[in-house]
Amino acid sequence: KAGVTQTPRYLIKTRGQQVTLSCSPISGHRSVSWYQQTPGQGLQFLFEYFSETQRNKGNFPGRFSGRQFSNSRSEMNVSTLELGDSALYLCASSKEGDQPQHFGDGTRLSIL
Amino acid sequence: GIQVEQSPPDLILQEGANSTLRCNFSDSVNNLQWFHQNPWGQLINLFYIPSGTKQNGRLSATTVATERYSLLYISSSQTTDSGVYFCAVRYGQNFVFGPGTRLSVLP
Repeated sequence: KAGVTQTPRYLIKTRGQQVTLSCSPISGHRSVSWYQQTPGQGLQFLFEYFSETQRNKGNFPGRFSGRQFSNSRSEMNVSTLELGDSALYLCASSKEGDQPQHFGDGTRLSIL
Repeated sequence: GIQVEQSPPDLILQEGANSTLRCNFSDSVNNLQWFHQNPWGQLINLFYIPSGTKQNGRLSATTVATERYSLLYISSSQTTDSGVYFCAVRYGQNFVFGPGTRLSVLP
């Protein structure tokens, strides 16, 4: 059974640009969550999607947005990139919200 | 919101030693997971353990939900156990991570 797949693995952008990250969940999983990991703030919850609807959102500015498609694949978009957005972005999927989460390998985003 | 604490923050062991990592949380939670993040950043599921005790090889975990803590035991540690260990709890609709315990196992 394939795991959670995130693309791309690495990305370099400059300030002011926007970026889109992709996450394909484990087959049969309907919940997809996104997290940001930085050395200073640790792992922080961004948002969760379930059946194409955003079910919950963390404390991040509106520049961070996401969506989920009918096949449960999810994308995360960050607009007007700032230096502080440099981080490892992790996606996790689960069957339902309370079920175990399984993480992808992450996308490492660097802002120059 | 909920507070999730982990101790110790850092741990250095000699290969073959045993260790106990602790996770405390400040409110009732719906579930709890332990993860190992390896040096390449991959988060590996260790246990899904909202309550009770589970074992998987050299690792075991115990969660006492009524007392709001969980313990992760690592026996006969190996250098490949190095990395950061996180506990994470489901609190309402949020999934909240602790700050992690950084484990270094020396050969």
